[in-house]
Amino acid sequence: IAGITQAPTSQILAAGRRMTLRCTQDMRHNAMYWYRQDLGLGLRLIHYSNTAGTTGKGEVPDGYSVSRANTDDFPLTLASAVPSQTSVYFCASSERGDYNEQFFGPGTRLTVL
Amino acid sequence: AQSVTQPDIHITVSEGASLELRCNYSYGATPYLFWYVQSPGQGLQLLLKYFSGDTLVQGIKGFEAEFKRSQSSFNLRKPSVHWSDAAEYFCAVGGSARQLTFGSGTQLTVLP
Repeated sequence: IAGITQAPTSQILAAGRRMTLRCTQDMRHNAMYWYRQDLGLGLRLIHYSNTAGTTGKGEVPDGYSVSRANTDDFPLTLASAVPSQTSVYFCASSERGDYNEQFFGPGTRLTVL
Repeated sequence: AQSVTQPDIHITVSEGASLELRCNYSYGATPYLFWYVQSPGQGLQLLLKYFSGDTLVQGIKGFEAEFKRSQSSFNLRKPSVHWSDAAEYFCAVGGSARQLTFGSGTQLTVLP
């Protein structure tokens, strides 16, 4: 069982370019999340999805969009990347009713120049 | 709104010494509390969690944490630190919306 996979592992991107970070889970969890991790700020929630077909905004949603067409996949899109979106991005999932316990992917390191 | 404070940005201990990492939370009801560990270049791994019941919870790798409602704290402890414990530690609080709020983390350095 792989758990959560994220792709790519790392990426360098020119400002203004469009980028999609991929996240796939094989645990059949209902809820999925995207966080960004920045030094000294911990993890901040970007977007979440409590179940397939629904999404919601987290603490820092501006400049990002998500979709949840099925249970397993939760891609994060940067429509026009800016340098302030340089960060490490983590995808996570949790089972419905599991008291918020979340399982994390290995992360994607994104650099926007 | 829920929030978490980890007052220590960086802690250094000698191998074999005891460890306590502090975590204070703010939440209106009984919280769900978590400690995660992140090794360099890795994702987050759950160490332990508190939902209800016994206020002293045991986790993996010999860690434990105590929930103190009167102090709004959930401090992480380990009696004897190993070099492999060097990592960043995050406290998190969960509420009714199934979302987690994380603290800013405490970086642990272990001296030989």
